[in-house]
Amino acid sequence: DTEVTQTPKHLVMGMTNKKSLKCEQHMGHRAMYWYKQKAKKPPELMFVYSYEKLSINESVPSRFSPECPNSSLLNLHLHALQPEDSALYLCASSQDPQGSRPYEQYFGPGTRLTVT
Amino acid sequence: AQSVSQHNHHVILSEAASLELGCNYSYGGTVNLFWYVQYPGQHLQLLLKYFSGDPLVKGIKGFEAEFIKSKFSFNLRKPSVQWSDTAEYFCAVKDNAGNNRKLIWGLGTSLAVNP
Repeated sequence: DTEVTQTPKHLVMGMTNKKSLKCEQHMGHRAMYWYKQKAKKPPELMFVYSYEKLSINESVPSRFSPECPNSSLLNLHLHALQPEDSALYLCASSQDPQGSRPYEQYFGPGTRLTVT
Repeated sequence: AQSVSQHNHHVILSEAASLELGCNYSYGGTVNLFWYVQYPGQHLQLLLKYFSGDPLVKGIKGFEAEFIKSKFSFNLRKPSVQWSDTAEYFCAVKDNAGNNRKLIWGLGTSLAVNP
């Protein structure tokens, strides 16, 4: 199973709402990632969790709050978003990212977020 | 800072034409190299990767890429494209120094194949 699943597929939320995006993988990967992608642009890294600990935060605004409840699950909590936050939010996972061992990232289908 | 350059931003081809998409990177150490594809409305899929060994790597759907270390390049090729190859193509590089977990992405190439 090389699948990363994400829910919901689409989400429309107002600027005062609180919502969460969910991501799950069952490949035994110990690193999980959140990316933001605008149309026809490369993904922009937001957060990296390694062994369920936050290891990279790319200076993401606090209205985005990641959570890694266990090694298979990754959440992204959203609160007080702005219209410019509308984008495709991608989750990815990979094998042990520590040291210099090579690995690839597997991407989920994404959540299309629209902030109104 | 490390960077990845994809020279062709938009490519339009007819079916059966040959394809070569350029990718150059700036890092001089040991790297892992990737090509990802994103079909319209779909998620990013790994086309192929280079970690070590034979610099000519073959991926899915008839794609291949050649790593030329002296040119810091990892160009993607396909001898005969199909309409279904219409997609965004992203080159990405990960350096193997230290504890780096990041992929450095090119800006992407939008390929349109006319039937």
